Amino acid sequence: SYVLTQPPSVSVAPGQTARITCGGNNIGSKSVHWYQQKPGQAPVLVVYDDSDRPSGIPERFSGSNSGNTATLTISRVEAGDEADYYCQVWDSSSDKVVFGGGTKLTVL
Amino acid sequence: EVQLVESGGGLVQPGGSLRLSCAASGFTFSSYSMNWVRQAPGKGLEWVSYISSSSSTIYYADSVKGRFTISRDNAKNSLYLQMNSLRDEDTAVYYCARDGAYSSSSADYWGQGTLVTVSS
Repeated sequence: SYVLTQPPSVSVAPGQTARITCGGNNIGSKSVHWYQQKPGQAPVLVVYDDSDRPSGIPERFSGSNSGNTATLTISRVEAGDEADYYCQVWDSSSDKVVFGGGTKLTVL
Repeated sequence: EVQLVESGGGLVQPGGSLRLSCAASGFTFSSYSMNWVRQAPGKGLEWVSYISSSSSTIYYADSVKGRFTISRDNAKNSLYLQMNSLRDEDTAVYYCARDGAYSSSSADYWGQGTLVTVSS
């Protein structure tokens, strides 16, 4: 089965740039989606199809995907960005949705 | 405004059954595929099941295949998850999520979830 690997945690100071990676075999050939989940809340889609943003998501959130790594980049990080972030793909070879293990973003 | 409201969670003994419901509003429910995603306490997201808009295509995670059944009633704008032979490891918050309007492999709206606790 297809596996997505994320670092358990990333820390960044306010105003700096946070980069959260999502590794998978030839993930560059898939569409990657990213979700933000704050404690006690449902996930929110922040990036879809590698680099597109749903309406209402700040431009500070961006994504890229190439080779074996997809990356969610959060520019000018704010305290309110502190949350868990999950990457997700559709694995067409097994007809299954796959989530990464999640990354806890801490704003120092 | 798109709304997804789950219900039906609760405490059930191992081996028992439960039926979850998800009431949809604010969009044309019959035009969208839907998913169930769960999250065990303190753990990450785990996809459970997918159903296409017409119910013609259904997929399950290996962990629930043969025990859970997804269904929908487009006339009632409702999504369901019948859960049988429940195990301790099925304890989780269960979310219903709509397939993305712009990317069908993403989930652009989620409900607030319903908690299922499997314990004796």
